[in-house]
Amino acid sequence: DGGITQSPKYLFRKEGQNVTLSCEQNLNHDAMYWYRQDPGQGLRLIYYSQIVNDFQKGDIAEGYSVSREKKESFPLTVTSAQKNPTAFYLCASRTTADMHYEQYFGPGTRLTVT
Amino acid sequence: SQKIEQNSEALNIQEGKTATLTCNYTNYSPAYLQWYRQDPGRGPVFLLLIRENEKEKRKERLKVTFDTTLKQSLFHITASQPADSATYLCALSYGSSNTGKLIFGQGTTLQVKP
Repeated sequence: DGGITQSPKYLFRKEGQNVTLSCEQNLNHDAMYWYRQDPGQGLRLIYYSQIVNDFQKGDIAEGYSVSREKKESFPLTVTSAQKNPTAFYLCASRTTADMHYEQYFGPGTRLTVT
Repeated sequence: SQKIEQNSEALNIQEGKTATLTCNYTNYSPAYLQWYRQDPGRGPVFLLLIRENEKEKRKERLKVTFDTTLKQSLFHITASQPADSATYLCALSYGSSNTGKLIFGQGTTLQVKP
């Protein structure tokens, strides 16, 4: 079964703690993306990576960090510096082959910080 | 700055009718536009992509139009079914096309009644 997995589905943390969200894909896609989704708002891009060992900030990168040590994996760390971390986090990937722009999303992780 | 707007209110229609969802944008010219379906608590699923030089795209019961003069896309579902009930997201490319970066609308919730 090819696809993207995110774990865990629900995550609870206390304020002041860093937390790492997992994202793995077996689609052999080069590009990967992290978004957050808040109620009534569109998805907002946090970070993206088009190749191993390289990544770029998206529109709302403050308080987050990522790594891309393997093609299959793009973990996101939500740090204690993120002022409003409670949200639904979505990971996506896509091939960078010509003319293919559709993104494939994982099932999401719902993070609650209290 | 770029802005993207979808019908903010939910759309309720009777089974068998055509649903029409609207996506309007301002302040930029995307190279392509995509539509995704999202079910509650799940990741979005890609439906259709239309490029700036295309007027219309079809896939089974789905049709998308793209008017770059009006800065608007319309998404139609013909012969709608209760299983089509979901939130539909419009997403526009921004920045360099090869990054695959997207800006998402807030989504329109469609409810199809039997």
